[in-house]
Amino acid sequence: DQQVKQNSPSLSVQEGRISILNCDYTNSMFDYFLWYKKYPAEGPTFLISISSIKDKNEDGRFTVFLNKSAKHLSLHIVPSQPGDSAVYFCAASTPYNNNDMRFGAGTRLTVKP
Amino acid sequence: DTAVSQTPKYLVTQMGNDKSIKCEQNLGHDTMYWYKQDSKKFLKIMFSYNNKELIINETVPNRFSPKSPDKAHLNLHINSLELGDSAVYFCASSQGGFAALHFGNGTRLTVT
Repeated sequence: DQQVKQNSPSLSVQEGRISILNCDYTNSMFDYFLWYKKYPAEGPTFLISISSIKDKNEDGRFTVFLNKSAKHLSLHIVPSQPGDSAVYFCAASTPYNNNDMRFGAGTRLTVKP
Repeated sequence: DTAVSQTPKYLVTQMGNDKSIKCEQNLGHDTMYWYKQDSKKFLKIMFSYNNKELIINETVPNRFSPKSPDKAHLNLHINSLELGDSAVYFCASSQGGFAALHFGNGTRLTVT
């Protein structure tokens, strides 16, 4: 039962343009969402998060949007840079089990110069 | 000054063997985890340890056993290895609550 889904395994964008990575979830009890970035041969690193009481959180070039009614969140990267090329994982956790973080399968972003 | 370090990075072994993967964190975090990334690239939680107490065990075969000698270490022991155990195993730590996880660089286990 994959509760967090990233339906696009890959995404390619031109440098300077916007990258939009999408994530859907099925468990309505999730109330905290995170994005992680992973380079080859490294572990995932935390990028940005959002609580369910918000619908947007911004950190520099990265913005996460949350649509609770649609159980959907997205990560916007603008402008995209070649160094952003990595696999991006969406993750979610619940209030009564916040040590049990669920991950999507990841989306491989390629930013072309 | 690596925050979460795990060894070895690669592990190749034969079916039926017993192996261990070590993990150490120097962040002072209260909770440590083991995740498995399977062939479909999903990261799935295996274990979570908080103050030496196991608080999550996600239907993992009992051939897998986490051992935490202290708050900074969580080792993973695997007995009677099977082909299906081949995967990348990630150790992680967090301060608990809604704090983000800090991951190690992974151990690629190949069972032949």
